[in-house]
Amino acid sequence: EDKVVQSPLSLVVHEGDTVTLNCSYEVTNFRSLLWYKQEKKAPTFLFMLTSSGIEKKSGRLSSILDKKELFSILNITATQTGDSAVYLCAVEAYPSGGSNYKLTFGKGTLLTVNP
Amino acid sequence: GAVVSQHPSRVICKSGTSVKIECRSLDFQATTMFWYRQFPKQSLMLMATSNEGSKATYEQGVEKDKFLINHASLTLSTLTVTSAHPEDSSFYICSARKRQGSVGTQYFGPGTRLLVL
Repeated sequence: EDKVVQSPLSLVVHEGDTVTLNCSYEVTNFRSLLWYKQEKKAPTFLFMLTSSGIEKKSGRLSSILDKKELFSILNITATQTGDSAVYLCAVEAYPSGGSNYKLTFGKGTLLTVNP
Repeated sequence: GAVVSQHPSRVICKSGTSVKIECRSLDFQATTMFWYRQFPKQSLMLMATSNEGSKATYEQGVEKDKFLINHASLTLSTLTVTSAHPEDSSFYICSARKRQGSVGTQYFGPGTRLLVL
C-alpha cells in the first residue's frame, strides 16, 4: 500500500521565521509529488515535482525532491500570518493492477504563524 | 483556467435519507474525476476514481452500493450517499483531471460539508 508521511504534524512559529516541512513516501510506480495548501476549503496547488534536485520556487516558498531518499521538503521563508494553513503533500503513482494514476495524501502539517 | 465546482457546498440531512453531490468542471473536459473524503484533522482519503462513461473504481473499504458514483458526461460527476448515517458526516471533495492534462493536474472543487443528524 502506498504511504506518505509528513512531519511535523503541527508547527507554531512567529512572523518572519523560516520553516521546513517534510514529506517522505513509499509508493510503487512513482510519477510525481505535489504540495498543496489547505485553508478552510479544498486544497490549492503549490508545486509539482518530478525530478530530483531541481528546486521549484514561488515567492517565499520553495520545494525540492530527492527520489533516491524518497522525500521532499517545502520551505517557507519570512513567514506571514497568511501562511497559516494545513500543508498537504501528495504522491501521484500508478497502483499495481490499477487503471488510473491516483494521489495518496499525507496527513498534513498544520502551520500556525503568530504575529 | 481550470475551475471545478461542487454543489451543494453544505448539506444537513436526517439519518436514512440519500444525498447527491455534484461535481462539475466548468471550463474544461475531464475524462477522470476523483472523489475524496476528509474527516476533521485528517488527510484526504481517495474514495473512488470515476471515468466518463464507465463504472467507477472504488478504493478498498469503500462500499460501492453506499456511495454511488455516476460520471455521465465529460463535465459532470455525481456522488450519492445512500441511506446516510451520522458516521457519513464528513467533508467530500472532488477533483477533475483535464482530458489531455499533464502529470498531476488535478483541480479540486471547493468541497461539500455533509452533516447527517
